[in-house]
Amino acid sequence: DQQVKQNSPSLSVQEGRISILNCDYTNSMFDYFLWYKKYPAEGPTFLISISSIKDKNEDGRFTVFLNKSAKHLSLHIVPSQPGDSAVYFCAASGDTGNQFYFGTGTSLTVIP
Amino acid sequence: DSGVTQTPKHLITATGQRVTLRCSPRSGDLSVYWYQQSLDQGLQFLIHYYNGEERAKGNILERFSAQQFPDLHSELNLSSLELGDSALYFCASSLRLAGGYNEQFFGPGTRLTVL
Repeated sequence: DQQVKQNSPSLSVQEGRISILNCDYTNSMFDYFLWYKKYPAEGPTFLISISSIKDKNEDGRFTVFLNKSAKHLSLHIVPSQPGDSAVYFCAASGDTGNQFYFGTGTSLTVIP
Repeated sequence: DSGVTQTPKHLITATGQRVTLRCSPRSGDLSVYWYQQSLDQGLQFLIHYYNGEERAKGNILERFSAQQFPDLHSELNLSSLELGDSALYFCASSLRLAGGYNEQFFGPGTRLTVL
């Protein structure tokens, strides 16, 4: 039972353009959402988070949007850089951080 | 460097064997989470400990067990290993549980290969 889904296994974007990574969830009790970035042979690294009381959170080139009615969140990276090439995971929690549910990841390739 | 350490980095063993994976959280972090990542899969939550107490259990097999010690390091024990247990095992730590969310900091993982 995959409660957090990333339906695009991969995405390619030109350097300087916008990258949009999508994530859907099924559990309406989720109230905290995170994005992680993972390079090969390393553990995931925290990027940005958003709580359900907000619909947007921004940190430099990274912006996360939350649409609670659609149970959908997205990560925007502007402008995309070759160093952004990695696998991106979205995650969600609904019980004050006792348990986190992760998507299967989207592999982003930024083409120079 | 996240500050979370995991040992060993690689582990190769045979079916039926038992192994122990070790995790040291970031200094000051009280929560430790364990995850399994199989090939082409997302991170599957296994178990969460907070300050020595189990707080949540995910899809963890009965053959697997974990504990968190008074010095806050944690061990994940995998027994009667099967081929399907081959995976990357990550631990993550975070500062606190109650009063709000904190992001998790992941270790580099232990790659387990069962032959």
